[in-house]
Amino acid sequence: DVKVTQSSRYLVKRTGEKVFLECVQDMDHENMFWYRQDPGLGLRLIYFSYDVKMKEKGDIPEGYSVSREKKERFSLILESASTNQTSMYLCASSFRQAYREQYFGPGTRLTVT
Amino acid sequence: RKEVEQDPGPFNVPEGATVAFNCTYSNSASQSFFWYRQDCRKEPKLLMSVYSSGNEDGRFTAQLNRASQYISLLIRDSKLSDSATYLCVVYTARNSGYALNFGKGTSLLVTP
Repeated sequence: DVKVTQSSRYLVKRTGEKVFLECVQDMDHENMFWYRQDPGLGLRLIYFSYDVKMKEKGDIPEGYSVSREKKERFSLILESASTNQTSMYLCASSFRQAYREQYFGPGTRLTVT
Repeated sequence: RKEVEQDPGPFNVPEGATVAFNCTYSNSASQSFFWYRQDCRKEPKLLMSVYSSGNEDGRFTAQLNRASQYISLLIRDSKLSDSATYLCVVYTARNSGYALNFGKGTSLLVTP
C-alpha cells in the first residue's frame, strides 16, 4: 500500500511564525505536490516537484516556499504565517506519468491565530 | 470561467437510487480525466479514470464527451457507503509541466 504521511494532523501557530509542513512518501514516486483545501474553493495547487531539488509554482504560491532535498520528502514552508493561510493542507505524490493516480496524505489542519 | 466546474449539490438520494454527476472543463487541450472520491474529513482517493469510450466499474459508469467538454459519473443502486464528495479532475499540460485541476466537488448523501 502506498503511504503518504504528513508530520502533523493539527497545528496551531501564531501570525508571523515560520511554519514547516513535512510530507514523506514511501513508493519512490517522482512527483510530489502540495495543495490547500478550503470550503467553497476546493483543492488548489500551491507547489509541485518532479524531482529532487526541483520545484514548480502552482496556482497559489504566494506566501509559500518548498524544499525537496530527498526524493521521498517534500516540505512546505510558510515564511511568516498569516491568518489567511488557515486551511487544510494536503500533500500528494505520483509516478512521473502525469495521468497516473495521485496518492494523498491525511492532511494537516493549520490554524493561524 | 473556472477550469473545472461541478454542481456542488448536495444530492440527497434514497438507497437504491441512480444518481448522475456532471462536470465541465474549459481547456479543450485537456488530456486525461478522473473522478476522485473524498469522504468527510479524509483525503481524496482515485475512484476511476474516464476514457473516451466510456468505462464502467461495478455500479459506477464514467463518460467523456470531448466535443462538449463534459464528463459524467453515474452511480447505480446507491449504497449508504457511497455518501461522499465526488471530485472531477482534469489533467492539462502546461508550459512548465502539467496540472491536475480539481473541481470543487459534488456532495452526495445516500439516505436509508
